[in-house]
Amino acid sequence: EVQLVESGGGLVQPGGSLRLSCAASGFAFTSYAMSWVRQAPGKGLEWVSSLSGGGGSAYFADSVKGRFTISRDNSKNTVYLQMNSLRVEDTAVYYCAKDPYSAGTASHFDYWGQGTLVAVSS
Amino acid sequence: DIQVTQSPSSLSASVGDRVTITCRASQSISTYLNWYQQKSGKAPKLLIYAASSLQSGVPSRFSGSGSGTDFTLTISSLEPEDFATYHCQQSFSTPRTFGQGTKVEIK
Repeated sequence: EVQLVESGGGLVQPGGSLRLSCAASGFAFTSYAMSWVRQAPGKGLEWVSSLSGGGGSAYFADSVKGRFTISRDNSKNTVYLQMNSLRVEDTAVYYCAKDPYSAGTASHFDYWGQGTLVAVSS
Repeated sequence: DIQVTQSPSSLSASVGDRVTITCRASQSISTYLNWYQQKSGKAPKLLIYAASSLQSGVPSRFSGSGSGTDFTLTISSLEPEDFATYHCQQSFSTPRTFGQGTKVEIK
């Protein structure tokens, strides 16, 4: 059974940093790209970032480019989202999601974690 | 970026009703269109990918159709557990973009 468990969310001040983690199990982790998708309170879904299975190709939404980085530790079956220079508008539930392919380019998301809340406020 | 527009934004329906939700892309995306179900406070769940392929384990009352710019999600006979928000998403190009969601409520 595929399981994705996010952690690392919390309350942070504007301009601060936070690192989210997503621990994966139940599938061949290195064979699949991993993504982060967020949902602001009462709003729709927004793709944030994706990373290829091998970790060599990363993709970012314009809204986070230059502030967020994505990485993975294939020995720990974990993907990370490092969020710097956080803004109030980054407040959202952040979901980790699995891609059905390795590339990390546009595809659907076939499994999702339960999400972790990031609140940016002074 | 490809814009994806869903309609309606909400609807009220009864158990047993046939429900149709539409999604329109701002340019042709072939069949690179996916549908998700999200229940309140929960993560989205993939229902349909590539416009019409049913994800494993999803009941057959869910179906998808369309190509190019216009797509449809149909629930043939609404069950109590189907009351939720439905999202479409294009996977033709990066950035992957979502519709704004359609909330299906109990009439």
